[in-house]
Amino acid sequence: KAGVTQTPRYLIKTRGQQVTLSCSPISGHRSVSWYQQTPGQGLQFLFEYFSETQRNKGNFPGRFSGRQFSNSRSEMNVSTLELGDSALYLCASSPGQGSFNEQFFGPGTRLTVL
Amino acid sequence: AQSVTQPDIHITVSEGASLELRCNYSYGATPYLFWYVQSPGQGLQLLLKYFSGDTLVQGIKGFEAEFKRSQSSFNLRKPSVHWSDAAEYFCAVGAGGTALIFGKGTTLSVSS
Repeated sequence: KAGVTQTPRYLIKTRGQQVTLSCSPISGHRSVSWYQQTPGQGLQFLFEYFSETQRNKGNFPGRFSGRQFSNSRSEMNVSTLELGDSALYLCASSPGQGSFNEQFFGPGTRLTVL
Repeated sequence: AQSVTQPDIHITVSEGASLELRCNYSYGATPYLFWYVQSPGQGLQLLLKYFSGDTLVQGIKGFEAEFKRSQSSFNLRKPSVHWSDAAEYFCAVGAGGTALIFGKGTTLSVSS
C-alpha cells in the first residue's frame, strides 16, 4: 500500500504570494491532518479534515486554510505569505477520526519564504 | 491546556548502551500518548502508543514506554541503542479528534 504523498516536496515563494500544498492520503483513509514544523515552535497542529469537512482547527490565522475532496485528497493554502511561514508542512492520514487511530505522516513539503 | 514537555533537547548515548527519553504531559483526562521518531528529511513514524490498560507499552524497533499517571510521565526506553536509532524523537498527546500536541523533541546522537 502506498504511503502518504505530499507535493511538491520543496517550494520557494516570496512574501505576499500565496501557496497551495497537496496531500494524498493512504488509500481508504478518510481523515487528513496538517501540521507545521519549525525549529522555534516545533510541531503545531493546523487543521483536520474528515469526509470533506473541517473537524478541528489549531491556533493559526485565517491566512491558513484547507479543504478535502471526495477522494480524501487534501490541499492546504496559505495566502499573503510571511517570512515566518517558512516551515516543513506535514500531512498525516488516518482511517478515521479520533486520536486512537494511528496517523501516518508524509515526508512533508519544505516551504521557504523569501 | 494540554501540553507536552521533553526536558532533554539533545542526548548522546554510546552504541549498545541503554536509552531513556523523558516526556511529561499535562492533560485533564486520561490521555492518549504517543512517541514518534523523525529521521532527517523524513516524516514522522509512530513508535508506540498508550490508550489504556497495561502501563508498559511495547513498540517497534525494540522500544518501550511506561505510563505513570502519578508523575504525568510517559518515558521512552530501549535496552540497547543501535547507530540507526540516531534521530529526533517526539512525545505527543491526543488533543481531540486526530489533533496531536507534540513536545519540542529530543535529538538522539549515538556514538561508537
